[in-house]
Amino acid sequence: DTEVTQTPKHLVMGMTNKKSLKCEQHMGHRAMYWYKQKAKKPPELMFVYSYEKLSINESVPSRFSPECPNSSLLNLHLHALQPEDSALYLCASSQNTLAGSSYNEQFFGPGTRLTVL
Amino acid sequence: AQSVTQPDIHITVSEGASLELRCNYSYGATPYLFWYVQSPGQGLQLLLKYFSGDTLVQGIKGFEAEFKRSQSSFNLRKPSVHWSDAAEYFCAVGAAGGFKTIFGAGTRLFVKA
Repeated sequence: DTEVTQTPKHLVMGMTNKKSLKCEQHMGHRAMYWYKQKAKKPPELMFVYSYEKLSINESVPSRFSPECPNSSLLNLHLHALQPEDSALYLCASSQNTLAGSSYNEQFFGPGTRLTVL
Repeated sequence: AQSVTQPDIHITVSEGASLELRCNYSYGATPYLFWYVQSPGQGLQLLLKYFSGDTLVQGIKGFEAEFKRSQSSFNLRKPSVHWSDAAEYFCAVGAAGGFKTIFGAGTRLFVKA
């Protein structure tokens, strides 16, 4: 299995709702990523988990809460979002080569299109 | 600081014509370079990558790219474009041993019949 899956494909939520995005991979990768992508823009890194521990948080607002319950799953919990948070949310995974010489090539999922009303 | 520049916001080519998308990078060491393609509302698909070795890299869907260290460039080429190639193309650079990928702003490719 060489793919990253994301659910749901589309999500519409109000500003007071709580929802979660899910990401799953079965490639044995030990690094997982959340990106946010606005229309006509490149993806922006939000979080990186390495061996199920949060490794990078790019100063993301606390209304976004990531969780990595095991090596195959990555969740993004959403609460009290704003309309400007509407975007495509991409998950990615990579082998976690802790040695310094290798780059962690990332495999991307299809994304969740989020609309906040 | 690392950066990636894609000078062309959008390009229009005729079906069957050749294509070149430009990418320039700024990075202190040997970069890991990538081209991704994204169709509307979809995730990113890796077209090709350069880590080391032969500077002419072959990818999927008939694409190739050439790494030119002297010009800090990694341009993407295709000899004959198909209508299905219409999409957004991102050039990216990654750091060795790191998790961050720096993306260019993207080039939107339009294909006319």
